[in-house]
Amino acid sequence: QAVVTQEPSLTVSPGGTVTLTCGSSTGAVTSGHYPYWFQQKPGQAPRTLIYDTSKKQSWTPARFSGSLLGGKAALTLSGAQPEDEAEYYCFVSYSGIRVFGGGTKLTVL
Amino acid sequence: EVQLVESGGGLVKAGGSLRLSCAASGFTFSNAWMSWVRQAPGKGLEWVGRIKSKTDGGTTDFATPVKGRFSISRDDSKTTLYLQMNSLKTEDTAVYYCTSALSWGQGTLVTVSS
Repeated sequence: QAVVTQEPSLTVSPGGTVTLTCGSSTGAVTSGHYPYWFQQKPGQAPRTLIYDTSKKQSWTPARFSGSLLGGKAALTLSGAQPEDEAEYYCFVSYSGIRVFGGGTKLTVL
Repeated sequence: EVQLVESGGGLVKAGGSLRLSCAASGFTFSNAWMSWVRQAPGKGLEWVGRIKSKTDGGTTDFATPVKGRFSISRDDSKTTLYLQMNSLKTEDTAVYYCTSALSWGQGTLVTVSS
C-alpha cells in the first residue's frame, strides 16, 4: 500500500504564511489523485478544507489555498490566525483506495 | 444543512462483531460515494473503506487491515450507511467516522477488549 507523507509539525507566526505538503511513495501527486485537505482540532471531528487539489468548501477561509507544488499536494495558509492551530491531514486516492498522510501539527506562535 | 450521525459503537470482545450506522440528511445521499474513516486514540486518521453510489456500481473498496473482515452497505431509501465489522481485533479500537469526504459525522467509539 502506498505511503503518504506530511511534515510532522510546523510552526507559523500570527499573520505569517506556511505551506504544508503531501507526498506519495509512488511518485508525484497529481490532480488525478484528487488530494483533499482536512483540519482537525482537539476533541473535534475533522472538517474538509480543500478537495480535488484546490476546490474550497463554503466554510473554508480565504486564507487557505490548495495546489500542486514540486510533485506534492500543498496547502498554503496566508495570514495565519490563532484559530488555525490544529492538525492537518491530506488524503490521496489511488484507483479506489484512499490513503491519509500522518498529519501535520500546525502551531501558530 | 448536511448531517451525518453515526451510531452503534460500544464495547465488544476480540473476535466479536458490531454494526455501525450512519444516518445522512441534507444532501442527495443516493448520489454520494460514502466512506468510513477511523482514528485510534491519540493517532491519525485512517481510511477504512468506501462504497460508491448505486449509479456508479455500488462497489466497495477497503484498506488492507480490514479487508475480508469489514463490509460496507447502504440503504438509499433510508439514507443510511452501514459498516459491518467482524472478527474484531484490539487494534480496531477507534472512533469511527462516516464521511462523504466533504462532510463528516461526529464519530462513534468502538472499543475492542481482549
